[in-house]
Amino acid sequence: DTGVSQNPRHKITKRGQNVTFRCDPISEHNRLYWYRQTLGQGPEFLTYFQNEAQLEKSRLLSDRFSAERPKGSFSTLEIQRTEQGDSAMYLCASSPGRGTDTQYFGPGTRLTVL
Amino acid sequence: DQQVKQNSPSLSVQEGRISILNCDYTNSMFDYFLWYKKYPAEGPTFLISISSIKDKNEDGRFTVFLNKSAKHLSLHIVPSQPGDSAVYFCAASARYVGQAGTALIFGKGTTLSVSS
Repeated sequence: DTGVSQNPRHKITKRGQNVTFRCDPISEHNRLYWYRQTLGQGPEFLTYFQNEAQLEKSRLLSDRFSAERPKGSFSTLEIQRTEQGDSAMYLCASSPGRGTDTQYFGPGTRLTVL
Repeated sequence: DQQVKQNSPSLSVQEGRISILNCDYTNSMFDYFLWYKKYPAEGPTFLISISSIKDKNEDGRFTVFLNKSAKHLSLHIVPSQPGDSAVYFCAASARYVGQAGTALIFGKGTTLSVSS
């Protein structure tokens, strides 16, 4: 078990460009979550998937954001027309979807929008 | 409206002593609480959790206490070690309250510094 992995670890882009991040959850974890963390804050929930179904989206997830989990395994988070306010750490977590259902986090993708 | 509050931004402790990190919450529907530890440039690492049906959970040097009437929980680390220096986040969820119950609500974190 290699844990949750995220790619890339760092992304620098210019305002207006599109970016896509990938998350590979712990194998056999049914639930996958995306969070965003800015400086001085705790992680804030963006969205979550149960297998391939996106079941919840936060108000933070504007229409420029889209997330997919097409086969119920890895997930992608795309941000279109990036803005400087999108600069943050984007965290992915997964959980078994049963029992205590503890969420385990990946290392995150640090996005800097210039 | 912050539902999970960690009112102490930082805490300094000497090696070998006890570290006590505090967390308050406002939503009475929360029924599961977790502590995560985070190093710079890494994701949060799960430490310990507690269900609302318990008032204490212990795992090695880490103990979490839950006081439901006061809506307060604390993490005790005994003995503290320099490697414990990190940011500690308290998180809560309301697992059985609709779909949104799966989301974790985090506090802003407390930076623990353990000096040798």
